[in-house]
Amino acid sequence: NAGVTQTPKFRVLKTGQSMTLLCAQDMNHEYMYWYRQDPGMGLRLIHYSVGEGTTAKGEVPDGYNVSRLKKQNFLLGLESAAPSQTSVYFCASSAQLYEQYFGPGTRLTVT
Amino acid sequence: SQQGEEDPQALSIQEGENATMNCSYKTSINNLQWYRQNSGRGLVHLILIRSNEREKHSGRLRVTLDTSKKSSSLLITASRAADTASYFCATDERGYSTLTFGKGTMLLVSP
Repeated sequence: NAGVTQTPKFRVLKTGQSMTLLCAQDMNHEYMYWYRQDPGMGLRLIHYSVGEGTTAKGEVPDGYNVSRLKKQNFLLGLESAAPSQTSVYFCASSAQLYEQYFGPGTRLTVT
Repeated sequence: SQQGEEDPQALSIQEGENATMNCSYKTSINNLQWYRQNSGRGLVHLILIRSNEREKHSGRLRVTLDTSKKSSSLLITASRAADTASYFCATDERGYSTLTFGKGTMLLVSP
C-alpha cells in the first residue's frame, strides 16, 4: 500500500497562473483533507471532504477550490496563484475522526 | 482559529533525558491526538486519547489528559537523537468533522 501520495512534490508558479495538486489514497478512507503549513503557523485546514462528491470549507479556503469525484482522489486547485499562497501543502485522509494519514507534502512557491 | 496550543515552542535536551510537551485547548473534545513531524516530511500519528481516558502509554510515550483543565501532556522517556522532530497536538472538537492542530513544539535531542 502506498498510503497517501501527493503530486507534484515541488512547483514554482508565477502570480496569476493556475495549478492543481493531486492527492490519492489507497486505504478506502471516507475523509480527506487539504492543509497548508507556514512557518510559525502550524497546520491550517483549507478544505475537506467527508465522502465522495462532498466538499466543505476549512479555516482558510479563500483562493482555493477542491473536488472529490472519486473516493480515492482529492484535488486542490489554485485558479490564480498569489505570493501569499507560497506554502507547503499537505493532504491527509482518515476513517472518520480517527488518526489522519498524511502525504509527503507539496512545496509551492509563487513568485 | 486554532484550538490546541503547545508549550514550550522549542525544547532542547540531551539523549537519555525525558522530554515533556504540553497542549492546552479551549472547548469540549471527543479525543486528543499527538503527531510527530520530521523536518520536511508529513505528520505521523503517535497516539490518541479519548475524553474519558486520563492516561495512555505507547512504548516510550506517555500521554495524559485533564479535561477539567483542558490540557494534555506528552512525555517521551529516554529520548534519542532520532526523536528530534516537531510535535503537534490535535483536538477533535465536539460537533465538528475536522481536527484542529496546534502550532507545535520543536524538540531537539543532542547526542
